[in-house]
Amino acid sequence: ETGVTQTPRHLVMGMTNKKSLKCEQHLGHNAMYWYKQSAKKPLELMFVYSLEERVENNSVPSRFSPECPNSSHLFLHLHTLQPEDSALYLCASSLGQPGSYEQYFGPGTRLTVT
Amino acid sequence: AQKVTQAQTEISVVEKEDVTLDCVYETRDTTYYLFWYKQPPSGELVFLIRRNSFDEQNEISGRYSWNFQKSTSSFNFTITASQVVDSAVYFCALSEEAGANNLFFGTGTRLTVIP
Repeated sequence: ETGVTQTPRHLVMGMTNKKSLKCEQHLGHNAMYWYKQSAKKPLELMFVYSLEERVENNSVPSRFSPECPNSSHLFLHLHTLQPEDSALYLCASSLGQPGSYEQYFGPGTRLTVT
Repeated sequence: AQKVTQAQTEISVVEKEDVTLDCVYETRDTTYYLFWYKQPPSGELVFLIRRNSFDEQNEISGRYSWNFQKSTSSFNFTITASQVVDSAVYFCALSEEAGANNLFFGTGTRLTVIP
């Protein structure tokens, strides 16, 4: 275990549903990330939080809404998703300034949008 | 253009063989960081190594070794005496300077070690 947990591990939702993904890190890190991993595509960085402030939003559609209430928790709120949003969503954390330090990943949430 | 290229999509080797995974990167920055991650079937990426652009020393950790060549913009990863537990997808990644928006992953190489 890397010290980063994600729940749920699997999620099936309809296009009109609202759901949330949760990530928790037990490593005392200051930065947290959301990634999307689709088949045969590079990992896509979605959001970055550093010291609980969002520092990056890589042109992610508004149907994905992140929340970082404290340095240990990160949420991804989902609403009115599309089938092409089906993917593995990975959370990660790092000790210091994003990009300079290695990231520790959670096991991911496998999301299927029907 | 891709910042990180892993040309080998899939590799299969027989157990105990050596295997090298290629990674070529592209950047104009003088300060950058390179990473390798392993993603086993369980899904979570596991950090293997970080190398900064000023440290070209090759590194060895057990059966793993990394060859960083700035002249060819490559950061290759070799596993010696491969084992079935090495079967996974391996990702190379580049971070330019210390920027949150400059994190780039390659598409990964799926390694299968056949017993």
